[in-house]
Amino acid sequence: SAVISQKPSRDICQRGTSLTIQCQVDSQVTMMFWYRQQPGQSLTLIATANQGSEATYESGFVIDKFPISRPNLTFSTLTVSNMSPEDSSIYLCSGWTAVDGYTFGSGTRLTVV
Amino acid sequence: DQQVKQNSPSLSVQEGRISILNCDYTNSMFDYFLWYKKYPAEGPTFLISISSIKDKNEDGRFTVFLNKSAKHLSLHIVPSQPGDSAVYFCAAMGGGSNYKLTFGKGTLLTVNP
Repeated sequence: SAVISQKPSRDICQRGTSLTIQCQVDSQVTMMFWYRQQPGQSLTLIATANQGSEATYESGFVIDKFPISRPNLTFSTLTVSNMSPEDSSIYLCSGWTAVDGYTFGSGTRLTVV
Repeated sequence: DQQVKQNSPSLSVQEGRISILNCDYTNSMFDYFLWYKKYPAEGPTFLISISSIKDKNEDGRFTVFLNKSAKHLSLHIVPSQPGDSAVYFCAAMGGGSNYKLTFGKGTLLTVNP
């Protein structure tokens, strides 16, 4: 199955700044997704990253706050913009293929101070 | 509104005994269910799944049971091993959002030697 490398694995950021998280897949995946897991909560889908076009955001998430890029079938980035302590979460990227189903990156643990 | 619920945040079991992890869902449009296992600092990894046309799926020590009328599924691990200690997430998909996974909050399983 596909292997997803996600970085950084963790970061501590100042409020008001932005952090870009990268995901690199070792093979082409049909779809890529970004999830957030707030403390004590379930994994929540932020958006579907679409190759070469704007991401499709779930209710409660907007492009200005979470801009996403997917320039090709193996790479995507998520930026958490103008961070506040409420953005402290684990962020996960995921790839999907019909053969392997879902594969997840190892996650980025973000702490905003 | 939590559409997938795992009401037990944690479960502790003796090695060799059976572990039973439970999951309830509210959306009757869900037609495919998955269990993921997550170790600290790693992404979720796929464990086992079940389609709504079945009521049981077995893979080695892992069996998932689905009770559609009760909107309930359970994961049985037998015999439990210390290496099974991890967070287990129940996830569901279907209802038109073909590739979107809706997760529960997870259950931390601890298998004691």
